[in-house]
Amino acid sequence: DQQVKQNSPSLSVQEGRISILNCDYTNSMFDYFLWYKKYPAEGPTFLISISSIKDKNEDGRFTVFLNKSAKHLSLHIVPSQPGDSAVYFCAAKGGTYKYIFGTGTRLKVLA
Amino acid sequence: GAGVSQSPSNKVTEKGKDVELRCDPISGHTALYWYRQSLGQGLEFLIYFQGNSAPDKSGLPSDRFSAERTGGSVSTLTIQRTQQEDSAVYLCASISPEDTQYFGPGTRLTVL
Repeated sequence: DQQVKQNSPSLSVQEGRISILNCDYTNSMFDYFLWYKKYPAEGPTFLISISSIKDKNEDGRFTVFLNKSAKHLSLHIVPSQPGDSAVYFCAAKGGTYKYIFGTGTRLKVLA
Repeated sequence: GAGVSQSPSNKVTEKGKDVELRCDPISGHTALYWYRQSLGQGLEFLIYFQGNSAPDKSGLPSDRFSAERTGGSVSTLTIQRTQQEDSAVYLCASISPEDTQYFGPGTRLTVL
């Protein structure tokens, strides 16, 4: 049972445009959400997080939005750059649950 | 070093052999996770160490898998009698006091 779902395995975006990566979760106990970025042959690196008391967190070009009623979060990257091309994982934790990761979305930013 | 290191980076082994994977976490981080990522899958939780508490082994897929953390620092993940379905990238992450995970580069295990 996939508690954290990233339904789009891949996404292509033109350089300079907005990239929107989506993530859905099923467990209402989750109260902390994170996005990680992974380049080939490297481990994931932390990008941005949000706790359930907020609905938006911004860090430079990266903004994470949380819609608790829909159990949905999204990562917006604007403007997208070729160096943003990577696999993006969302993760959630809360209650007694450890970090649960989605299956990832491969973002390709086209120059 | 400044980051999490893992060794070996790649391991090819024959079915039925035992393998040992090593993780050196960031100094001072008291918590450590092991995950694995099979082809096309997300990161699958394996085991969690927190300080001197008993580890949470609930993610280990079978009794062929075990892990230990010596002296609250280096951790080893051992897979006995490897099977082809064990082929994956094994990642460890150490956890900062702010609860951020810092991942190592992973060990790519291939079981022939």
